[in-house]
Amino acid sequence: NAGVTQTPKFQVLKTGQSMTLQCAQDMNHEYMSWYRQDPGMGLRLIHYSVGAGITDQGEVPNGYNVSRSTTEDFPLRLLSAAPSQTSVYFCASSYGPGDEQFFGPGTRLTVL
Amino acid sequence: RKEVEQDPGPFNVPEGATVAFNCTYSNSASQSFFWYRQDCRKEPKLLMSVYSSGNEDGRFTAQLNRASQYISLLIRDSKLSDSATYLCVVRMDTGRRALTFGSGTRLQVQP
Repeated sequence: NAGVTQTPKFQVLKTGQSMTLQCAQDMNHEYMSWYRQDPGMGLRLIHYSVGAGITDQGEVPNGYNVSRSTTEDFPLRLLSAAPSQTSVYFCASSYGPGDEQFFGPGTRLTVL
Repeated sequence: RKEVEQDPGPFNVPEGATVAFNCTYSNSASQSFFWYRQDCRKEPKLLMSVYSSGNEDGRFTAQLNRASQYISLLIRDSKLSDSATYLCVVRMDTGRRALTFGSGTRLQVQP
């Protein structure tokens, strides 16, 4: 099992550019989520999904979109990148919202 | 007030020492409690769940105090490999939302 995979590992964007962060899991987990981690702030939930076709907003959803067309994939789209979106992004999956979360290795994003 | 609060540290301790971290949470209806470990520039990983009666896993002991709304993690006989950031994690409700993470306590074990 590969677990949770994320691509790319690093990315530099200019303000206003858009991009998609990829996330995939091979554990047949229904629950997937995206977090951002900033110094001193801990992990903050951006969006989550309880299954294919179902997504919902987390704590900090503005500027991000998600979709869940399959159980395996949960991409995160930045619509128009801003310097405030410079962060480390983690994708996670689990059987349910309160179960052990398995995290991907993260994407380090810098927006200039 | 943050929903989950931790002392950021760092806690600098010698090998073999016993160290304890506390974490407070704001929602008295919180359902589940966990400690995750995060190594530098890596993803978080589950260290242990925290049960109402307290639980132990080798050198690690977790306690929950619902009346005072805090959880604790005790590490005995610290090893160099214990150096990491320890994240206190709480599930606030039974709805769809997942877990709320504290910002972490950094531990540095020194030789």
